[in-house]
Amino acid sequence: EAEVAQSPRYKITEKSQAVAFWCDPISGHATLYWYRQILGQGPELLVQFQDESVVDDSQLPKDRFSAERLKGVDSTLKIQPAELGDSAMYLCASSLSAQATNTEAFFGQGTRLTVV
Amino acid sequence: AQKVTQAQTEISVVEKEDVTLDCVYETRDTTYYLFWYKQPPSGELVFLIRRNSFDEQNEISGRYSWNFQKSTSSFNFTITASQVVDSAVYFCALSTPGGSYIPTFGRGTSLIVHP
Repeated sequence: EAEVAQSPRYKITEKSQAVAFWCDPISGHATLYWYRQILGQGPELLVQFQDESVVDDSQLPKDRFSAERLKGVDSTLKIQPAELGDSAMYLCASSLSAQATNTEAFFGQGTRLTVV
Repeated sequence: AQKVTQAQTEISVVEKEDVTLDCVYETRDTTYYLFWYKQPPSGELVFLIRRNSFDEQNEISGRYSWNFQKSTSSFNFTITASQVVDSAVYFCALSTPGGSYIPTFGRGTSLIVHP
């Protein structure tokens, strides 16, 4: 069964260090999302890609976060420098196309980041 | 603006009880999509159902059923004869054209089913 792959599953890093997460969406899915989920809350969008283009990054803290999807397939989310408040679950999701109807997003298992 | 409210933070039931999880949404769009996801302790969000705004027919899938009522802007989820394996956090989500079809999630309801 096709699934969204994310790595690593867990990451512990010291504050001020750089950290990166990787996501490989379901094959053929043009839309890719990065969400952040703080413990006890719902996921909140950080960035949405349509193919290799950023559609919405209005909630991405651009002073320290960056995301890319260079070939329109897999994607990397980077944080530099990490802060204690960045500790959260980072979820990647993909869907066929955000502009088509009936397109639910499928999620990966997430990367749980702990900043110490 | 779009918003999803899940007023129930945590629900605790005993196995075999029926339980309903509430979801209220807000949007100015006349076309929109509603979703329910399950998040077990392992962390991934598992897609359960999608409902279009123009289809108010309720749906049943095994022990799961969904009640969509546009008049009250609600999309409630009922689990019949709950089981311990149903223990998870359940999220309701909304996507709209005005929101670029980006799913907006509620805060989730934690369901605990005791044996």
